[in-house]
Amino acid sequence: SQTIHQWPATLVQPVGSPLSLECTVEGTSNPNLYWYRQAAGRGLQLLFYSVGIGQISSEVPQNLSASRPQDRQFILSSKKLLLSDSGFYLCAWTTAVAGYTFGSGTRLTVV
Amino acid sequence: QKEVEQDPGPLSVPEGAIVSLNCTYSNSAFQYFMWYRQYSRKGPELLMYTYSSGNKEDGRFTAQVDKSSKYISLFIRDSQPSDSATYLCAMRRMDSSYKLIFGSGTRLLVRP
Repeated sequence: SQTIHQWPATLVQPVGSPLSLECTVEGTSNPNLYWYRQAAGRGLQLLFYSVGIGQISSEVPQNLSASRPQDRQFILSSKKLLLSDSGFYLCAWTTAVAGYTFGSGTRLTVV
Repeated sequence: QKEVEQDPGPLSVPEGAIVSLNCTYSNSAFQYFMWYRQYSRKGPELLMYTYSSGNKEDGRFTAQVDKSSKYISLFIRDSQPSDSATYLCAMRRMDSSYKLIFGSGTRLLVRP
């Protein structure tokens, strides 16, 4: 069966520090991968998506970047975090015409 | 104007009530429609998935899509306290990116 792993679950980082969040998928090949951010009490905002290794599409200009070094690995990064980067970050995958499967999320607080 | 509009609630109902959750959208190119349930501090989980117009039933849940009105609904029968969560509608076009556009979510509270 397919599973998605996302870590860490919780992260507190100072302003100006770097960020690296990792997401891996098991049990499938060539998935579409996505990074979403959810601000408190708000909906999901698509940040990046990838349809293949090395292929990254950015949806929102921001302080973040994404990379896909392997077929089932998706990384979200920042060189210098801002207070506004705080939020709940979700990784998701899909290979079919159905909905996404989400990871358990990373709650990031920038202090 | 947002592509997908959803009333944020909160919606408070007594246990056993029928719940109706709704979304409207503006992009007529959307073909796939989904409902997700999200418990506090957890990732969303897929509840229902519908292609184009029509109804789909799964246990206590029924999803309806009216493409002519650009309106989708989720009905929950015999609601339970465990149904208390945020419900997100989502939809996408038929293209290879599979990008989902989400509503902002409706918070539901089912009172025992």
